[in-house]
Amino acid sequence: KQEVTQIPAALSVPEGENLVLNCSFTDSAIYNLQWFRQDPGKGLTSLLLIQSSQREQTSGRLNASLDKSSGRSTLYIAASQPGDSATYLCAPNTGFQKLVFGTGTRLLVSP
Amino acid sequence: ETGVTQTPRHLVMGMTNKKSLKCEQHLGHNAMYWYKQSAKKPLELMFVYSLEERVENNSVPSRFSPECPNSSHLFLHLHTLQPEDSALYLCASSPGRQLGEQYFGPGTRLTVT
Repeated sequence: KQEVTQIPAALSVPEGENLVLNCSFTDSAIYNLQWFRQDPGKGLTSLLLIQSSQREQTSGRLNASLDKSSGRSTLYIAASQPGDSATYLCAPNTGFQKLVFGTGTRLLVSP
Repeated sequence: ETGVTQTPRHLVMGMTNKKSLKCEQHLGHNAMYWYKQSAKKPLELMFVYSLEERVENNSVPSRFSPECPNSSHLFLHLHTLQPEDSALYLCASSPGRQLGEQYFGPGTRLTVT
């Protein structure tokens, strides 16, 4: 059974810092992995999708990497802004769009 | 309307009530999903529909009854719920069941009293 762990559980930083959020999963047999952000009480916004054959995917200030064999993905946020404050979730797809979620990293960026 | 929409956004119901949650996707996708998000727990997949056929039911109690009349609409019918069913219910869709991203709606915050 796939299990997902995200470290740290919470992170508080001043504006402008570069951040690394970590995601580890126990079963490396995945098709792809999605990173989402969730604002309090709201739905999920898809940030990046990395296919199992890819090592990296970039969108603006966000860069996600995937090391499938070791069961790890990282989300790098450059030059953080207060608007980046949210909970970040990673979800490996174990097949047929079965996304398995961790409990996320709660990020607070202060001005 | 764009993306995935859900109504109502908030719902308070008693344990003996019957209510329905509605989800609509405007993306031309063929697969739709119901998830439950309880406080301090990871999202749990409840049901999966592909081309209007239910293909997955993750041991969800029968007091939750999904319905997918066409590929754009998904309902979750609720009856005789328990207080522990209070949660954020999220709907999502994807192009198909193999590849592509899942897109989520804003959720329905359900409180069972």
